[in-house]
Amino acid sequence: GAGVSQSPRYKVAKRGQDVALRCDPISGHVSLFWYQQALGQGPEFLTYFQNEAQLDKSGLPSDRFFAERPEGSVSTLKIQRTQQEDSAVYLCASSSRTSGSTGELFFGEGSRLTVL
Amino acid sequence: DAKTTQPPSMDCAEGRAANLPCNHSTISGNEYVYWYRQIHSQGPQYIIHGLKNNETNEMASLIITEDRKSSTLILPHATLRDTAVYYCIVRVAKAGANNLFFGTGTRLTVIP
Repeated sequence: GAGVSQSPRYKVAKRGQDVALRCDPISGHVSLFWYQQALGQGPEFLTYFQNEAQLDKSGLPSDRFFAERPEGSVSTLKIQRTQQEDSAVYLCASSSRTSGSTGELFFGEGSRLTVL
Repeated sequence: DAKTTQPPSMDCAEGRAANLPCNHSTISGNEYVYWYRQIHSQGPQYIIHGLKNNETNEMASLIITEDRKSSTLILPHATLRDTAVYYCIVRVAKAGANNLFFGTGTRLTVIP
């Protein structure tokens, strides 16, 4: 597709369930980012991939959060044993080698996770 | 990366220019100023960026003061579709770690 695609758009999980959120970046984009956005706040960085390598995971809030990008394209953010504080919109962004150096990230519409 | 300060909210009449200020008094010499916006229920959208010269593109103009401690994003003729949260971000431009610190931004409401 032309843009970054995320699925599902909406996910409701019971506390303690595992969830998986998918991101399809723009074709050919080497860099991929995950952000978490709580209600009323700006997006906060979670993790960054360059191709299949996870170069920065400093923003992951706990070891319940895990991200992968095994073939350097599609990425999955997995949250284990979800807690209510995990409720947020999870945004994926990608950038080309060129746009990455200029700071232009292309964001998807996000996956809204609600943990009951 | 340096932090930024923005007013939490602003209103603008439709058709008028919207001037969104940003303070970044601790900006370093190699840090750029970026602006993104986020329309309700969408992901952030890149608008413009600059180092020290004023910049203009099809969406907006960016005016950076000579001392680079503040900047203004200008939407020359605001429309209702420009209602969004606008984020001012400063960071070093380099390929690789592109961790953008968004802060809470300015909520711009364009009024008919």
